[in-house]
Order: sequence, then structure tokens, then C-alpha cells
Amino acid sequence: DVVMTQTPPSLSVAIGQSVSISCKSSQSLVYSDGKTYLHWLLQSPGRSPKRLIYQVSNLGSGVPDRFSGTGSQKDFTLKISRVEAEDLGVYYCAQTTHFPFTFGSGTKLEIK
Amino acid sequence: EVQLQQSGAELGKPGTSVKLSCKVSGYNIRNTYMHWVNQRPGKGLEWIGRIDPANGNTIYAEKFKSKATLTADTSSNTAYMQLSQLKSDDTAIYFCAMHGFAYWGQGTLVTVSS
Repeated sequence: DVVMTQTPPSLSVAIGQSVSISCKSSQSLVYSDGKTYLHWLLQSPGRSPKRLIYQVSNLGSGVPDRFSGTGSQKDFTLKISRVEAEDLGVYYCAQTTHFPFTFGSGTKLEIK
Repeated sequence: EVQLQQSGAELGKPGTSVKLSCKVSGYNIRNTYMHWVNQRPGKGLEWIGRIDPANGNTIYAEKFKSKATLTADTSSNTAYMQLSQLKSDDTAIYFCAMHGFAYWGQGTLVTVSS
């Protein structure tokens, strides 16, 4: 199985600061069609996950452009610019290139 | 608007089975894969498997091959997951999701207890 390693496990940031979360995969996530199926999700407290970014860098519907994703092959980053209170929760990376699909262990974002 | 409405919480005894449902509105499930994901208390997300409702083809994570059975009814636009031989460590919230994890149900809490 593809292992997704997320760091850091937790972050505490002030409103208005910027943060980055890293996700590294044990195998390349480039699929045979040339696309990379690496996504970022946010699970706010008590809620279902919400997809923020799909295929590395594409913003999900209704997601503010404070969120951005970069990376390639096995190394990916989610950046949140100008953190807002509503951004708190657990962030997960997920890969849907290789079966079984797998998730990172999560990064918990707290607001100072 | 796309919505996934999951069935209510379940309390199951060890050794029994439960069947969860996920009714989709606003999108024809024939045109997507339906995924199931679990989340044990205080833990992260774990992919169980997916079904192609158009033809019933399924793919499971290895550890769920004898635990979960995925089905779908295109006439009612509903996906189902049956969990068999329940054990205490099957206690979790189970989510359905679709369209590349773009849409999620609200989750169904399954509690296994005698």
C-alpha cells in the first residue's frame, strides 16, 4: 500500500498567518494517464471531510484561493495563506492513484 | 445541489451484520464511483472500497474484503454497504463519498456492543 506521511502532526497559528503542510508518498502518484491524483481534505470538528484541492493544485468548488497546493511525484505541500478562524480542523492528504486508496495521518490546525 | 444522505446510527451485537445506505440526490450515481471510508474514534480516515454503480464492479482494500460488501441500486440512486461479523473494533463512523471525494455523506455511527 502507498504510505502517505504528513507533517507536522499539529500546528498552532494566529489569525492572518500563513502555514504549510507537507505530504510525502512512498511511491510516485503519477498515474498512467499522466495525471497525479493527490488531494487535500479538511475535516472541521464534528463534520464530514471536505475536499479543498484535487489533483495536486486544483481548487475545489467554493474553496477560497487562500488555499493552494503544489508538488509532484512523491512530494506535496498544502499552503494556507492568511489563516482564518474557520480553517481550524484536521487536514488530510489522500491519494487515488494506486489501490487501495490511502490517506495521510492528518495535521491538526489550531488557532492561537 | 448534490447531497448524500446516509442512514441513521446503528447499534450491532458482536457477530451480527448491519447494512448502511447512502442516498444521492442531484447526481446520477451511474456516472461516478461510490466510495466508503471509515473513521474509528479519534482516528484518521481509512478507505474501505468503491463500487461502480453502472455495472456493480467493486474494489476493496484487502483488510475489508471479508468484512464489507458494497452494492448499489441505480433505480433509487442509493449505495449500500453491509458490514458482517461485527467486532468491537468495527465501531466507527462510516462515510460514503463520490466524485473523487468531492462530495461526502454526513456519516453513520456504527457501535458494536453486546
